[in-house]
This record gives sequence, structure tokens and C-alpha cells, in this order.
Amino acid sequence: QTVVTQEPSLTVSPGGTVTLTCASSTGAVTSGYYPNWFQQKPGQAPRALIYSTSNKHSWTPARFSGSLLGGKAALTLSGVQPEDEADYYCLLYYGGALGVFGGGTKLTVL
Amino acid sequence: QLQLQESGPGLVKPSETLSLTCTVSGGSISSSNYYWGWIRQSPGKGLEWIGNIYYSGTTYYNPSLKSRVTISLDTSKNKFSLRLSSVTAADTAVYYCARVDYYDTTGYPRVYFFDYWGQGTLVTVSS
Repeated sequence: QTVVTQEPSLTVSPGGTVTLTCASSTGAVTSGYYPNWFQQKPGQAPRALIYSTSNKHSWTPARFSGSLLGGKAALTLSGVQPEDEADYYCLLYYGGALGVFGGGTKLTVL
Repeated sequence: QLQLQESGPGLVKPSETLSLTCTVSGGSISSSNYYWGWIRQSPGKGLEWIGNIYYSGTTYYNPSLKSRVTISLDTSKNKFSLRLSSVTAADTAVYYCARVDYYDTTGYPRVYFFDYWGQGTLVTVSS
């Protein structure tokens, strides 16, 4: 069974920069896994941020960016705002129309 | 602005069938430009993709749920539905519906991605 792994929690100071990563149990994550990133705040549905590694939706703030880093998918937040405190989930595709979600990273802005 | 809204019973008994509907407004589920999907989120297992359906009726199901899942379209009402049979407590979760956009690149598989999500509905499996 394929497992997608994220950091359980990270803490960042307001105005700082933080990188969240997403690893696959099958090996290095490449662009062919078409990584997606989602933000979820308490009591809300996930909100799509990034698709296909680095593409932003029209509503995605410019401070969010996606990339590949050291064999993993990465989401970088630059100039973190207090409202960025949330859970972040990645999604990887392993062929076909269905993907596997990571376990999520709880980001604290402190 | 596209909106999706889940509806259905909040409590289902073990061994029975869970049935949910997603009503879409601001867009047509009959469009060939999108798929429509169901995802669930439970405290123990996080987010889990249940399956997708295309306007043609073609479906894709999570192999781990395939034997129990049916997703269908009602184009006359601009809704799509989820049925999950033989439920157990492990099926207790918040269920989300979402739109799945896609694009094609020559020589590569079709690329899918979520954009719009419903607010979710909690379904508890308990006697």
C-alpha cells in the first residue's frame, strides 16, 4: 500500500519562510506524480492551493509556491501571515484518475 | 461562482447503505470539461479519495472501496450521488464532494486536479 508522508507539525514566525514536504513510499517524487497541495482551516473544507507541482489557482496567494526538493514535493510559504495557520495536505497521483493524500502538516504561526 | 453542497442522513446504521447527494450550482455536471468526485476525512485515516465520475458516466473508484461504492449522475437535477454499502464504524467521516478539472498533454496521461469543494457533511455510523 502506497504511503504519502508529510511532517506532522511545523512552527514558523510571522513574516518568516517555511517549507513543507511530501514524500512517497515508492521513491522519489517527480513531476509525473503531479503533486497537489491543499490548505484546511478548522471546521472548513480543504482549499486547493497548488496543482501539478507548481501551478497556482486563481485564488492562491502569491506567497505560496510549489516545487520539487530533494526527491519530495514541497510547498513553500514566504512572508507567512497569521491566517496561514492551518493544516496542509499534499496529494500525489500514481497513474490514473485517483490520488493518495498525505497525512497532513499542522502549521503553527507563532 | 461554482458551488457544491452535500446533503444526506447524518446517521447510518452499521451494515446499511450510506447515501449522499452533491448539488452543483453555477455550473453544469453535463460539461465534458470536468469530473466530479467524492472525498472523505476521518480522524483516524485523514483524507481519502473515494472516486470520480465523468459526464459520460465513466467512473473511477478507490480500489480499497470499489466493492462497496457507487457514484452516479442526475443531469436533470444537476446533482451527483454517492452510495456506500455495508458500512461500519470505520466509515464514519466528513464526506466532501468536489469538482475535478483536468488537462491533456501530448504523450502523457491525463492530469487531474481538484479545484472547488463542498463544505462537507458528517456521517456517523452507529446503531
